[in-house]
Amino acid sequence: NAGVTQTPKFQVLKTGQSMTLQCAQDMNHEYMSWYRQDPGMGLRLIHYSVGAGITDQGEVPNGYNVSRSTTEDFPLRLLSAAPSQTSVYFCASSPLRRDEQYFGPGTRLTVT
Amino acid sequence: EDKVVQSPLSLVVHEGDTVTLNCSYEVTNFRSLLWYKQEKKAPTFLFMLTSSGIEKKSGRLSSILDKKELFSILNITATQTGDSAIYLCAVGNPDKLIFGTGTRLQVFP
Repeated sequence: NAGVTQTPKFQVLKTGQSMTLQCAQDMNHEYMSWYRQDPGMGLRLIHYSVGAGITDQGEVPNGYNVSRSTTEDFPLRLLSAAPSQTSVYFCASSPLRRDEQYFGPGTRLTVT
Repeated sequence: EDKVVQSPLSLVVHEGDTVTLNCSYEVTNFRSLLWYKQEKKAPTFLFMLTSSGIEKKSGRLSSILDKKELFSILNITATQTGDSAIYLCAVGNPDKLIFGTGTRLQVFP
């Protein structure tokens, strides 16, 4: 099993550009989530999904969109990048009703 | 507002020392408390606690939860340089993990 994979590892965007961060898992986990990690602020939940076709907002959803068309994939879209979205982004997954989440390796995003 | 607070923010010790990391929480619909270790990349899971007073152990690491006083501690005995990392505490309530800001542990030879 590859576990949770994320692409790209690094990305630099200009303000106003859009892009999609990819996340995939091969563990057949129903639950998937996106976090951002900023210095001194811990991990903050952006969006999450409890199954294909179901998504919901976390603590910091503004500026981000998600969709979940399959169990395996949960992409995160930045609609119009802003410097405040410079961060490290982690995707995670777990079986439903299990709190132990498994994290991907992260994407470091810089918006100039 | 739900919150998870970790202390200390940072800790510097020498190899062989014992350390105690603290995590307190105020979270509605508490379901579990989790500890993660984060080195250079993704957080990796250490423990999940759901019941008060039952210690979980893995080698030199151990953790316990007090649901009455709303806190947990993570103990690391005989620290090694490989224990240097950020230790994250998170509380699970339905559908979410709420993270603290972490404790940065540095272990010097």
